Amino acid sequence: DTEVTQTPKHLVMGMTNKKSLKCEQHMGHRAMYWYKQKAKKPPELMFVYSYEKLSINESVPSRFSPECPNSSLLNLHLHALQPEDSALYLCASSHSRGQGFDEPQHFGDGTRLSIL
Amino acid sequence: GIQVEQSPPDLILQEGANSTLRCNFSDSVNNLQWFHQNPWGQLINLFYIPSGTKQNGRLSATTVATERYSLLYISSSQTTDSGVYFCAVTNSGGSNYKLTFGKGTLLTVNP
Repeated sequence: DTEVTQTPKHLVMGMTNKKSLKCEQHMGHRAMYWYKQKAKKPPELMFVYSYEKLSINESVPSRFSPECPNSSLLNLHLHALQPEDSALYLCASSHSRGQGFDEPQHFGDGTRLSIL
Repeated sequence: GIQVEQSPPDLILQEGANSTLRCNFSDSVNNLQWFHQNPWGQLINLFYIPSGTKQNGRLSATTVATERYSLLYISSSQTTDSGVYFCAVTNSGGSNYKLTFGKGTLLTVNP
């Protein structure tokens, strides 16, 4: 069983909708990540949070808005998405020691998002 | 940024066969992970192996950091081993927050 839980597993939304993806971990990890994965491609990093603060934004469009309300939770708020945003969205977490993020990352099962 | 190349891109095996997957990387790393992504999209940690050798059941991995490659061995393959195998690294000399993935090896194990 995965130790990183993502909800919902599937989401279909229109381009004018607002929805949120949720990620939760209870491993005491202080680094959390959002990745986007298109079909037949590897995951691509979107955001990194360290100690509940946004550390990295990989030039992601503002229609994706991350939030880390506490050390166990990570949300991704979605608004005015485009059909090309349809993808598998993966959350991951890891220990964060010092300045690096070189601890192993543990992934959730993902949310499969379809934009109509 | 760091380049990660995996080979072969596709591999078809009969159940019971052994295989070796390779991951080459272009710079020094402080994290190297092997993942299996099953047909349902679940990305499963196989090994955290920035250097050395590890074994877990029918799977084993070896990373030779000084020569910038890692190998994943699958023995006595089963149909449930099918899926995509990714190698992913963080670059100790560059963006060390970023897990950079190779393009993966698509493994199909036939009964």
